[in-house]
Amino acid sequence: AQKITQTQPGMFVQEKEAVTLDCTYDTSDQSYGLFWYKQPSSGEMIFLIYQGSYDEQNATEGRYSLNFQKARKSANLVISASQLGDSAMYFCAMREGIIEDTGRRALTFGSGTRLQVQP
Amino acid sequence: SAVISQKPSRDICQRGTSLTIQCQVDSQVTMMFWYRQQPGQSLTLIATANQGSEATYESGFVIDKFPISRPNLTFSTLTVSNMSPEDSSIYLCSVKVGSPNTGELFFGEGSRLTVL
Repeated sequence: AQKITQTQPGMFVQEKEAVTLDCTYDTSDQSYGLFWYKQPSSGEMIFLIYQGSYDEQNATEGRYSLNFQKARKSANLVISASQLGDSAMYFCAMREGIIEDTGRRALTFGSGTRLQVQP
Repeated sequence: SAVISQKPSRDICQRGTSLTIQCQVDSQVTMMFWYRQQPGQSLTLIATANQGSEATYESGFVIDKFPISRPNLTFSTLTVSNMSPEDSSIYLCSVKVGSPNTGELFFGEGSRLTVL
């Protein structure tokens, strides 16, 4: 089974509007972390936001917020006030066993969503 | 944070040859990770590189094809051996810095290999 599922291969959004990128995950661990990365056409991977499984509040970082619904195992990324520079691939990722394993494990990535912001 | 430098940034290689990618980090890190990103695909973990011991490979990746060295806490190399066009990918080095539980991965800029 897929650990991380991103069902939207591509998304379009108008500049200045908000957009939600979907991510669902599958794990039997009680402690895990969820991450979102942005990959522009240049290829670099840019960390955006993190949500821990025990965090009660949704994570926010500037225009990025993570809509964490633990029971549904979803961790959707919300980008508010989209900008042209937001056009990129967005990857959801997970690290399992973040407490038991001292968080040393690598991340498992979803297939990504290509976001295009239109003027 | 961490600054990660990868060399080469890109290369065009002939089938059957091997290429070594270098990854240099500006701080000491316990573990380094090597990922592969095939064209239009997500990132797939190749192996975890531990300083002073053998790398741990993920399913589908073997040491003979992707030998890894980790001579110290700031440096690692990944060799792609006996390359074929299917090995054309971006290879990314990454490290985790900061909190063991919540630290994100920092990535190098990637090495884009094209195998003819």
